[in-house]
Amino acid sequence: AQSVSQHNHHVILSEAASLELGCNYSYGGTVNLFWYVQYPGQHLQLLLKYFSGDPLVKGIKGFEAEFIKSKFSFNLRKPSVQWSDTAEYFCAVNALGGGFKTIFGAGTRLFVKA
Amino acid sequence: SQTIHQWPATLVQPVGSPLSLECTVEGTSNPNLYWYRQAAGRGLQLLFYSVGIGQISSEVPQNLSASRPQDRQFILSSKKLLLSDSGFYLCAWRGGRGTSYNEQFFGPGTRLTVL
Repeated sequence: AQSVSQHNHHVILSEAASLELGCNYSYGGTVNLFWYVQYPGQHLQLLLKYFSGDPLVKGIKGFEAEFIKSKFSFNLRKPSVQWSDTAEYFCAVNALGGGFKTIFGAGTRLFVKA
Repeated sequence: SQTIHQWPATLVQPVGSPLSLECTVEGTSNPNLYWYRQAAGRGLQLLFYSVGIGQISSEVPQNLSASRPQDRQFILSSKKLLLSDSGFYLCAWRGGRGTSYNEQFFGPGTRLTVL
C-alpha cells in the first residue's frame, strides 16, 4: 500500500532562514507528487507538483521541490522564509496504476517568527 | 471556472444522532470526488472516493458512509454518530479519466463536533 512520511511535524524558523521539509513515499511504480499548503483559516491549495521531466519543480511563492527517485523523496525547499509562510504543509502522492487515490502525509506545521 | 461547496461549515451533534454532509462541484463534469478527515498531527485521512455516480470506494472501515446520487454531488453520512467522528471533513475533486487535472481541489471543510 502507498504511504507518505513527513519527517517533521513542527518546524519553527526565523524570517530569512532557509527551509527544507522532508517527504518520503513508499511505492515502487510511477508517481505524481504534490505539496499542498494550508494557511490559517484558508482552504488547502496546491503549492507545486511533479508529474514527469525535470525533477526540480518550482511552485508559487518561491517554493521548489526536488524529486529523487532513488530515495523515494520529494523534499520541499525555500531559500528564505517569510512570516507569511506560516502554514501547514502536506506532501501527497498519487500512484499511477494505483487508482485515483491520493495519499497525504501527516503534515508539517511551520511557524515563522518575525 | 470550477468551484466546490461544502455545507454546513460547522456542526455540533449529539452522540447517536444521524449525519449528512454535502459537497457539490460546479463547472466540471465527471469529476473524481473525495472525502477526507483532517485531524491534528495526523494529516488527511482518505475516507471515500468516487469515480462516478453510484460508485463509492471506502478506504477505512468506520461508522460513516458515502453516496453520490448525482455527477457533481457527494454526500457523507452516518446513522449514529460516535464521539470519535468529531473532526474536520474535507471534500475534494479531481478531473476524471482523460483530463489533465491531476491535482485535487479542496472545499472549505466542515468542522464536526460530536458531544
